[in-house]
Amino acid sequence: GAGVSQSPSNKVTEKGKDVELRCDPISGHTALYWYRQSLGQGLEFLIYFQGNSAPDKSGLPSDRFSAERTGGSVSTLTIQRTQQEDSAVYLCASSPGGYSGNTIYFGEGSWLTVV
Amino acid sequence: AQSVTQLDSHVSVSEGTPVLLRCNYSSSYSPSLFWYVQHPNKGLQLLLKYTSAATLVKGINGFEAEFKKSETSFHLTKPSAHMSDAAEYFCVVSEGFQKLVFGTGTRLLVSP
Repeated sequence: GAGVSQSPSNKVTEKGKDVELRCDPISGHTALYWYRQSLGQGLEFLIYFQGNSAPDKSGLPSDRFSAERTGGSVSTLTIQRTQQEDSAVYLCASSPGGYSGNTIYFGEGSWLTVV
Repeated sequence: AQSVTQLDSHVSVSEGTPVLLRCNYSSSYSPSLFWYVQHPNKGLQLLLKYTSAATLVKGINGFEAEFKKSETSFHLTKPSAHMSDAAEYFCVVSEGFQKLVFGTGTRLLVSP
């Protein structure tokens, strides 16, 4: 598609349930990123994919968080046993990859609320 | 490790007056620097980027930024604010494999 697409756009879940957030990057982009935007926390890096591999997972906050990417395209971020502090906007981004000056394009985010 | 400091959490201007949003960075190497804008309930949109070419960078919607290595600054300016410029602005630094480090953001308020 024309831009980075994320689904669902909004998700309300009960504490303790698992959630999956999906990201469709721009076609042909090899690099894919997940960020989290929380009130009072700013934008935090979660994980970076180059192709299907994740050379940098340093931002995942706990082992309840995992992500995968298949076919060098779609990525899924999974949060197990959700907690209220997981409530945030989860932003996916993609870029052509490799060079630090490449433009990174963001989706509109998945708004997660844990009640 | 790289970092950015946005010196103002809020900036208020009147429509038609100049805009200045300040950003200082810290980086071990030659950084790539970006400004992104986020309108309410919208995603992040790239305004402009610096990647070691011209130090004065022009972006969309009349914004520009100047990279000053001696001052480690990358301030964002616009000669004349428009009501539609009201949004949150993020200064961002990138090194290596494009791990972006975001500043805490500056909220621009534009009054009629």
